[in-house]
Amino acid sequence: DTEVTQTPKHLVMGMTNKKSLKCEQHMGHRAMYWYKQKAKKPPELMFVYSYEKLSINESVPSRFSPECPNSSLLNLHLHALQPEDSALYLCASSQEGTSGATDTQYFGPGTRLTVL
Amino acid sequence: AQSVTQLDSQVPVFEEAPVELRCNYSSSVSVYLFWYVQYPNQGLQLLLKYLSGSTLVKGINGFEAEFNKSQTSFHLRKPSVHISDTAEYFCAVSAWMDSSYKLIFGSGTRLLVRP
Repeated sequence: DTEVTQTPKHLVMGMTNKKSLKCEQHMGHRAMYWYKQKAKKPPELMFVYSYEKLSINESVPSRFSPECPNSSLLNLHLHALQPEDSALYLCASSQEGTSGATDTQYFGPGTRLTVL
Repeated sequence: AQSVTQLDSQVPVFEEAPVELRCNYSSSVSVYLFWYVQYPNQGLQLLLKYLSGSTLVKGINGFEAEFNKSQTSFHLRKPSVHISDTAEYFCAVSAWMDSSYKLIFGSGTRLLVRP
């Protein structure tokens, strides 16, 4: 099973709402990632968890709060977002994480987020 | 710093024609290169990767790529494309940055296959 699942597929929220994105993998991977992708652009790395610890935060605004409850689950908590945060949010996982130069990242289908 | 460049933002091609999507990298150390495909409204899927060894790498869906160290290129090829190959293609390099390995993506090439 090489699947990474993400829920919900679509999310519309107001600027005062609090919502969460969820990501799950059952491949035994030790690293999980959040990316943000704007239309017609490549994915931009936001956060990396390696062995359930936050190892990379790419200077993401605090209105995005990641959480890794266990090695299979990754959440992204959203609060007080801005319209410019509207994007496709992709989750990925890999075997070793940030110490693995040759690691393959497996991506989920993404959550399409619209902030009104 | 390691990076990849995809010079072609869009490549239109007729069905059953061959195609080449270009990717050039910059690196002064060992390089690990990837090609990912993103179909409309989906996530990224690995097509193939070069880690070491044979410079001709075969991937899924009939795609292959050739690692050329002298030209610092990793171009993706397919001898005969299908309508279903219409997608965004990203070249990426695994780069050591800020004490970690990260996947650095090119800007992407949209392959548009016409009947």
